[in-house]
Amino acid sequence: GAGVSQSPSNKVTEKGKDVELRCDPISGHTALYWYRQSLGQGLEFLIYFQGNSAPDKSGLPSDRFSAERTGGSVSTLTIQRTQQEDSAVYLCASSLDLGTPAYEQYFGPGTRLTVT
Amino acid sequence: RKEVEQDPGPFNVPEGATVAFNCTYSNSASQSFFWYRQDCRKEPKLLMSVYSSGNEDGRFTAQLNRASQYISLLIRDSKLSDSATYLCVVKLNTGNQFYFGTGTSLTVIP
Repeated sequence: GAGVSQSPSNKVTEKGKDVELRCDPISGHTALYWYRQSLGQGLEFLIYFQGNSAPDKSGLPSDRFSAERTGGSVSTLTIQRTQQEDSAVYLCASSLDLGTPAYEQYFGPGTRLTVT
Repeated sequence: RKEVEQDPGPFNVPEGATVAFNCTYSNSASQSFFWYRQDCRKEPKLLMSVYSSGNEDGRFTAQLNRASQYISLLIRDSKLSDSATYLCVVKLNTGNQFYFGTGTSLTVIP
């Protein structure tokens, strides 16, 4: 079946502009995560959605970052007034409802964001 | 202190060699453990979950040591296709976050 898809695959933007990144999770997956990965760094948790529950935004680095998930499916990550330090690969992952033990996360191919 | 720490490597090993990676975690409330594999400029993919009793999948063996708070990955009979970065991942028994290590780079040399 279809995996997690993300768009665009690459985005180059000027400092100060807003960008929107999109994630289409695997159908039926209720959990959705956004991460970012800078060159040579580990994955940094940004935000988590689970069903209709309030999202866990504890990883968002500043109030310039926000995310929505509409209808429990597609999610968009918005970065306002982009800065050069926002340049990174933004990865989306989805999984089945969290259980014990936790379910595998399936990652999308990522959006490579470059802020010039 | 980071939740998960890994030796970044790089590990350069000849084909057929056995190689082991360790990963330490700082929070004793950690409950779920995984090894993910990430190829260059690709997304991470699950290699294997790590169970308390240890588990094996073909040439790959994962171990968990709760007392010392580390997990390990052993790769036997290394193949060229094993070249990748191996990410250690931990989830606590509370909250929603998965904590990823920065990864250990492996290159298998012909």
